[in-house]
Amino acid sequence: DTEVTQTPKHLVMGMTNKKSLKCEQHMGHRAMYWYKQKAKKPPELMFVYSYEKLSINESVPSRFSPECPNSSLLNLHLHALQPEDSALYLCASSRGGQFYGYTFGSGTRLTVV
Amino acid sequence: AQSVTQPDIHITVSEGASLELRCNYSYGATPYLFWYVQSPGQGLQLLLKYFSGDTLVQGIKGFEAEFKRSQSSFNLRKPSVHWSDAAEYFCAVGAGGGSNYKLTFGKGTLLTVNP
Repeated sequence: DTEVTQTPKHLVMGMTNKKSLKCEQHMGHRAMYWYKQKAKKPPELMFVYSYEKLSINESVPSRFSPECPNSSLLNLHLHALQPEDSALYLCASSRGGQFYGYTFGSGTRLTVV
Repeated sequence: AQSVTQPDIHITVSEGASLELRCNYSYGATPYLFWYVQSPGQGLQLLLKYFSGDTLVQGIKGFEAEFKRSQSSFNLRKPSVHWSDAAEYFCAVGAGGGSNYKLTFGKGTLLTVNP
């Protein structure tokens, strides 16, 4: 299995909703990442889980909350989002060293209404 | 801090023509360089990577890239473009150690292929 699986593929949520995005990999990778990508822009790093350690990006609002239940799963909990949070959310994993690129999932297209 | 510049926002080529996408990086140490391709609404797929050794690296789908330290460049090339190559291309540099390692992406180059 050489894939990163993201669910759901599409999500529409209201500003008062609570939802979660799920990311799963079975490649034994020790690092997992959440990226946010707006239309016609490059991906922007939100969170890193590397060797069970979370690295926080201080610029990410607290309405986004990552959770790593185990080394194969990475969730992103969403609460009280704003319309400007609408974007493609990409999950990626890597072996955790500098020599490796990331394997990306196909993303979750999030629309906040 | 590391950075990546892709000077061309949009490039249009004819099918069968050669292609070169430019990428310049800024990083104080030996860079780890990558090219990714993204089709509309999809995730990113790794085309190729460089971190040491031969400065000309081969990737998937017939792509290659050449690392030139003197020019701080890592340009992507393909001798003959196919219509299916139309997509967004991102150059990225990896930097930092251990849990601080992360990829920084350029703004991307959109490739249009004319029949």
